[in-house]
Amino acid sequence: AQRVTQPEKLLSVFKGAPVELKCNYSYSGSPELFWYVQYSRQRLQLLLRHISRESIKGFTADLNKGETSFHLKKPFAQEEDSAMYYCALRGTGANNLFFGTGTRLTVIP
Amino acid sequence: NAGVMQNPRHLVRRRGQEARLRCSPMKGHSHVYWYRQLPEEGLKFMVYLQKENIIDESGMPKERFSAEFPKEGPSILRIQQVVRGDSAAYFCASSSGGAYGYTFGSGTRLTVV
Repeated sequence: AQRVTQPEKLLSVFKGAPVELKCNYSYSGSPELFWYVQYSRQRLQLLLRHISRESIKGFTADLNKGETSFHLKKPFAQEEDSAMYYCALRGTGANNLFFGTGTRLTVIP
Repeated sequence: NAGVMQNPRHLVRRRGQEARLRCSPMKGHSHVYWYRQLPEEGLKFMVYLQKENIIDESGMPKERFSAEFPKEGPSILRIQQVVRGDSAAYFCASSSGGAYGYTFGSGTRLTVV
C-alpha cells in the first residue's frame, strides 16, 4: 500500500530564512513524486516533479530512495511562498495520485 | 482552453437532500479524479474514472456516494441523503493519463445545514 506522510501540519519561517517541508513516502516499487501548491483562494497547481529535477520559484526537491523522502527546500523564503503544500505519489503504472495531508507554510515578514 | 471546470462553486444542502457536483475535464483529457478536502485535513482520494468506466473507487464511502463519467457530458459526483459530515471541498482533476501530473479544478464547497 502507498502512503505519503507530511509530519508538519503548520510551518512558520521568517522572510529570508531557509525553509524545508518534509515528505516521506511508503511504496514498494519506484514511485513518481510531486509537490503541489495551493495559494489562498486559488486552485491546486503542480509545483514540481522529481523526474524533472528542476527548480521552480526557487524551490527544489530531491528524491532520496534510501530515506524514502522527497523534502521540499528553498534557501530564502519569500512572503508570497505562504500557501498550502502537498506532497503526492503516483505508483508504477498508475494514473491516480495519492496526497499527503499537507503543510501550511506561513512566511512572516 | 478553459481548464477543468467544476460547478457549482458553492452548494448548500439541507440534511437528507441530494448533492450533485459536476466536473468538466480539460479538453483532450479522458481521465477524471475526485478528491475530498475536509476542514483542516488534506486531500483524500475518492475515485478515478475514465469515460464510462470506474477504474478505482477505493476512496469512496460505501454508502450514499456514487460517481459517473458518461460518454457525453461532465463527470458527476453524487451524494445522497447528505449529512453534516459531508461538508467539505470536493476537487476534481483531469489528466490525459500520461506521465504528467494533474490539472485541478477550483473545487465545489459543499455545506450541509
